[in-house]
Amino acid sequence: QKEVEQDPGPLSVPEGAIVSLNCTYSNSAFQYFMWYRQYSRKGPELLMYTYSSGNKEDGRFTAQVDKSSKYISLFIRDSQPSDSATYLCAPSEGGGNKLTFGTGTQLKVEL
Amino acid sequence: SQTIHQWPATLVQPVGSPLSLECTVEGTSNPNLYWYRQAAGRGLQLLFYSVGIGQISSEVPQNLSASRPQDRQFILSSKKLLLSDSGFYLCAWSVQEDQPQHFGDGTRLSIL
Repeated sequence: QKEVEQDPGPLSVPEGAIVSLNCTYSNSAFQYFMWYRQYSRKGPELLMYTYSSGNKEDGRFTAQVDKSSKYISLFIRDSQPSDSATYLCAPSEGGGNKLTFGTGTQLKVEL
Repeated sequence: SQTIHQWPATLVQPVGSPLSLECTVEGTSNPNLYWYRQAAGRGLQLLFYSVGIGQISSEVPQNLSASRPQDRQFILSSKKLLLSDSGFYLCAWSVQEDQPQHFGDGTRLSIL
């Protein structure tokens, strides 16, 4: 079993849709949870950063962590074509130290 | 504000040639620095990380090495490249507290 699992997609949605991206993990020591957005041929860009269980909202993005079920979600409201990218979840035991990346979910938002 | 620079953006090298990729960070002191490789369809694989000048930890035994000659400079090297060294190489930094990593725009390395 991989330590972090993501559905690779691609996930194709119409503009304006609500998108749900998910990760599962196996390491119960993970305390910090990050979502990165990666455009083609670019480095990952930090999107959301949360600690422990709960929700965090930033504009159109909401990150949700359920440590009891080891499940991480990223919701995108009113999706735009500019949201088309690969989304990587990256939990960590200690914040800025070693991250464990999922393989990423490719999202395509169509006009 | 902090910025991270990687160069070159693209590199094509023959098998058996040496490699040197450079990464520099501006706007912060004593950052943690990281080298990752991203292969197609796979997640980011941590290769090396450094918590200070001259301090390098290797995560994966391989044909590569890393050095940190200055506080904000991180170099990835190889004496002889293999075909399997092809990939997208990413440098990242973080502060030493509970803060996330920030990535450069990477170097796409092709070995012929």
